[in-house]
Amino acid sequence: DSGVTQTPKHLITATGQRVTLRCSPRSGDLSVYWYQQSLDQGLQFLIHYYNGEERAKGNILERFSAQQFPDLHSELNLSSLELGDSALYFCASSVRAGYTEAFFGQGTRLTVV
Amino acid sequence: EDQVTQSPEALRLQEGESSSLNCSYTVSGLRGLFWYRQDPGKGPEFLFTLYSAGEEKEKERLKATLTKKESFLHITAPKPEDSATYLCAVQAGRSEKLVFGKGTKLTVNP
Repeated sequence: DSGVTQTPKHLITATGQRVTLRCSPRSGDLSVYWYQQSLDQGLQFLIHYYNGEERAKGNILERFSAQQFPDLHSELNLSSLELGDSALYFCASSVRAGYTEAFFGQGTRLTVV
Repeated sequence: EDQVTQSPEALRLQEGESSSLNCSYTVSGLRGLFWYRQDPGKGPEFLFTLYSAGEEKEKERLKATLTKKESFLHITAPKPEDSATYLCAVQAGRSEKLVFGKGTKLTVNP
């Protein structure tokens, strides 16, 4: 158990809908990273938050947004969902920004039908 | 653009048959090279971080090494429980992200 908690574990939704994925980092970790893993692309960086502030954006679509709350949990919001958004979404947390070893959660498997 | 290439894509070994996985990278200003293990349907599990050429780290049957262009994950006398996908990732320059390779799927037969 990495100590990073993601909910829900599985999510099935229809095209055009909006979903929210939640991540609780390890105790004491201030950084939260979101990654998308699809079969053909591998793990792709989406966004990084540190202590409530956005630090870096990767290949995150405009339909996706994220935030980190004062209690340090983070949410990834995906809207106007398309079939191609089906993937595993992972969050990872680490102690500080400027990167150290990240510990990943178990992921949320999103299926868009 | 930072790139990470892992080979082979898949590897089948007999229990006890040692081998190596390769991770070659092209980055501008390596800050760290990371190895993760991923089991099906689960999140990547951190194994090692290497920071400079010549560095080596070991954990049980695994040993990771780093040169200026590539890293190797050596698996000595593997067991079936070592079966997993092994991912290599790099952090470079001032980037806040990890760039992952597509992984090597290792299967160890009893």
